[in-house]
Amino acid sequence: KQEVTQIPAALSVPEGENLVLNCSFTDSAIYNLQWFRQDPGKGLTSLLLIQSSQREQTSGRLNASLDKSSGRSTLYIAASQPGDSATYLCAPSGAGSYQLTFGKGTKLSVIP
Amino acid sequence: DVKVTQSSRYLVKRTGEKVFLECVQDMDHENMFWYRQDPGLGLRLIYFSYDVKMKEKGDIPEGYSVSREKKERFSLILESASTNQTSMYLCASSHSLIGEKLFFGSGTQLSVL
Repeated sequence: KQEVTQIPAALSVPEGENLVLNCSFTDSAIYNLQWFRQDPGKGLTSLLLIQSSQREQTSGRLNASLDKSSGRSTLYIAASQPGDSATYLCAPSGAGSYQLTFGKGTKLSVIP
Repeated sequence: DVKVTQSSRYLVKRTGEKVFLECVQDMDHENMFWYRQDPGLGLRLIYFSYDVKMKEKGDIPEGYSVSREKKERFSLILESASTNQTSMYLCASSHSLIGEKLFFGSGTQLSVL
């Protein structure tokens, strides 16, 4: 069974700092991996989707990388802003499966 | 713009009541999902559906059932609500192709007293 770990569980940084969020997973036979953002009391918003054949994906100030063989993904946020404060979750998809396994997330606070 | 709508933002029910949670998507997606989210446990899949009238159990289906009579609508049913079903319930949908993005609704915070 796939297990997903996100470290750290919480992170506080000053505005403007670049930061990296980490995600590791135990089963490398994944089809893709998504990074989501969740604001308090709200649903999840998909930020980036990386297919297993890709190494990275970029959207604005966000860059996600995937090393399938080592079971790791990172989300890089450049020039952080207070509006980036949220919980970030990663979720790999099993090979040939519609199902995602979610990590418990990293709660990010960007201090003005 | 993509939209997944959950009928209630907050819901309070009594133990033993039958509870219906409704979800509608306007993207013509084939796949729809119901998750629950609890502090310390993360998101767990309850049921999903890959077509009208089709359903598959997720990781924690006990105490729940689902209905999908139309492509755009996926209902979660708590047959006899219990206090341990107090949770945030999240509906999601995706296109039929494996590897497509998952779109979530805003969630329903259910309290069972």
